[in-house]
Amino acid sequence: SQKIEQNSEALNIQEGKTATLTCNYTNYSPAYLQWYRQDPGRGPVFLLLIRENEKEKRKERLKVTFDTTLKQSLFHITASQPADSATYLCAPPVGRGSTLGRLYFGRGTQLTVWP
Amino acid sequence: DSGVTQTPKHLITATGQRVTLRCSPRSGDLSVYWYQQSLDQGLQFLIQYYNGEERAKGNILERFSAQQFPDLHSELNLSSLELGDSALYFCASSADRGSYGYTFGSGTRLTVV
Repeated sequence: SQKIEQNSEALNIQEGKTATLTCNYTNYSPAYLQWYRQDPGRGPVFLLLIRENEKEKRKERLKVTFDTTLKQSLFHITASQPADSATYLCAPPVGRGSTLGRLYFGRGTQLTVWP
Repeated sequence: DSGVTQTPKHLITATGQRVTLRCSPRSGDLSVYWYQQSLDQGLQFLIQYYNGEERAKGNILERFSAQQFPDLHSELNLSSLELGDSALYFCASSADRGSYGYTFGSGTRLTVV
């Protein structure tokens, strides 16, 4: 069965540094990956989507890469700020093509940016 | 405001009771998804509706049921509540299959005492 793993449950970095979060998947090849941010007690917020034919996608200080050979997506936040502290979720869809379905959410990586 | 409205925001009820959670999707979105998030747990998929019809089912308990109405709002019914049902319940909506992202509501926090 398909499996999603996000790197260590918690990542602590200093303000101004680049945070890099990892999402690994096994046993299938998603057509795309989505990344979300979730603050405590709040609903996840969509950040970025990257498709399998895209190597990299950027949005302001955010960058996502998608390596279908390594079966891995990396999510980078450059010039991190304390306000970036949150849990970040990797979410590929279940199935693909005609069986493309709902998103599967990993457990997420809790990022803390300290001053 | 994300555009997805969930009511109520908080609900406290006793074991054995039944509750109904309501979700109004973002305007134009045909798909509605329900997720459960227990303390320090990931988002567990419960059920998906598309334009009034059930599209996919997750590990939803038999005590739970849902439906999507012609105006596209959805309700999640939880019955014979147990302490372990205490969680945040999120509704999300998307256009078609969600390949442009989900929009989540702010959730309903259910506490069963």
